[in-house]
Amino acid sequence: EAGVTQFPSHSVIEKGQTVTLRCDPISGHDNLYWYRRVMGKEIKFLLHFVKESKQDESGMPNNRFLAERTGGTYSTLKVQPAELEDSGVYFCASSQGSPKDEQYFGPGTRLTVT
Amino acid sequence: GNSVTQMEGPVTLSEEAFLTINCTYTATGYPSLFWYVQYPGEGLQLLLKATKADDKGSNKGFEATYRKETTSFHLEKGSVQVSDSAVYFCALRGGSNYQLIWGAGTKLIIKP
Repeated sequence: EAGVTQFPSHSVIEKGQTVTLRCDPISGHDNLYWYRRVMGKEIKFLLHFVKESKQDESGMPNNRFLAERTGGTYSTLKVQPAELEDSGVYFCASSQGSPKDEQYFGPGTRLTVT
Repeated sequence: GNSVTQMEGPVTLSEEAFLTINCTYTATGYPSLFWYVQYPGEGLQLLLKATKADDKGSNKGFEATYRKETTSFHLEKGSVQVSDSAVYFCALRGGSNYQLIWGAGTKLIIKP
């Protein structure tokens, strides 16, 4: 069974540009989470989807970030326009039916904004 | 609010040394506690967990005991190997909020 996959693995963009990160959860997992780790600090929660619906987006830093989950399958996280402080590693995780189930993580996307 | 504090790294040890990585937490209610590990070039993996006080999680020779009286969940291993070199994250999940709250991560370097 394939694990959580994320694309790209690394993205380097200039300040003001747009970047879209993609996450493919484990097939059949209803719950999808986005987290990010900025500058070697702690990992912080961004948002949680249940199927295609946003269950909790309390961690989204501002309106430059837009997350979608088309048809309850893969998810995208768009940053527009990117700022220097957005640099970090963005992790995606998925879990089965209950949010209490174990979260399985992807390898992360390293975003560098110059 | 909920928070996790773990010892800063990097922690450098020789092979076969005893390992302790400290983790303390602040939370209301009775959170579940986790240790995740990230090996170089890989994603986060759940290493072990404990869901109630006095539970001991264990995996791959690592252990951690949920201590409610000291609000701690320290990670231990009796004899580390070079292959244990990684970044270790302590995390909690509490109440009706299913997001994970994370510590800053501790980089562990094991020298042969």
